[in-house]
Amino acid sequence: QVQLVESGGGVVQPGRSLRLSCAASGFTFSSFGMHWVRQAPGKGLEWVAVIWFDGRKKYYGDSVKGRFIISRDNSKNTLYLEMNSLRIDDTAVYYCARARGGAAAHFDPWGQGTPVTVSS
Amino acid sequence: SYVLTQPPSVSVAPGQTARITCGENNIGSKSVHWYQQKPGQAPVLVVHDDSDRPSGIPERFSGSNSGNTATLTISRVEAGDEADYYCQVWDSRRDHWVFGGGTKLTVL
Repeated sequence: QVQLVESGGGVVQPGRSLRLSCAASGFTFSSFGMHWVRQAPGKGLEWVAVIWFDGRKKYYGDSVKGRFIISRDNSKNTLYLEMNSLRIDDTAVYYCARARGGAAAHFDPWGQGTPVTVSS
Repeated sequence: SYVLTQPPSVSVAPGQTARITCGENNIGSKSVHWYQQKPGQAPVLVVHDDSDRPSGIPERFSGSNSGNTATLTISRVEAGDEADYYCQVWDSRRDHWVFGGGTKLTVL
């Protein structure tokens, strides 16, 4: 079945970097756009970034633009999020999600999430 | 930029109908998607493209979208429907994907 499994979360100091991974299985990964979405403790969902199926287009949310980099390796069925210059307010559970359809696509399914805590 | 407005909370008795709204100017021109999130779990898609239901989602879940308001309707509410619900659209002007603030559904 379709499955997304995030990894790489943890505790990191402000200003440092962290790389998240999302391993995909059960579908043709190279045919789908992929998103990262985060959720701060007790808060709602915030879209972070998207990458087109072939990696040629990438878009970022305002709060992470210039600090985070989304990428993918279609040969490894894996999505990445490189997070640099981390701030306290980047603390959240980070989810990867598959985009169904075109740009106006819905997100389905979602991974189980990986927690990131930015703290000194 | 797009700001999707949802009521923070909705309460309903079991067996009744819950309606959760998502408001924005001219949202009727957008495709709206709805997600259910239970505590400690990842979000799950319950309605996409305004009113389509993914396989495995009960027929009790339905959606509509017109004018300035999209609505998720849950008929014959059950205790297991208690969760947070989020609407989502694509802001084509900025290539941003936007979520509403979420609505906590409480089953009395």
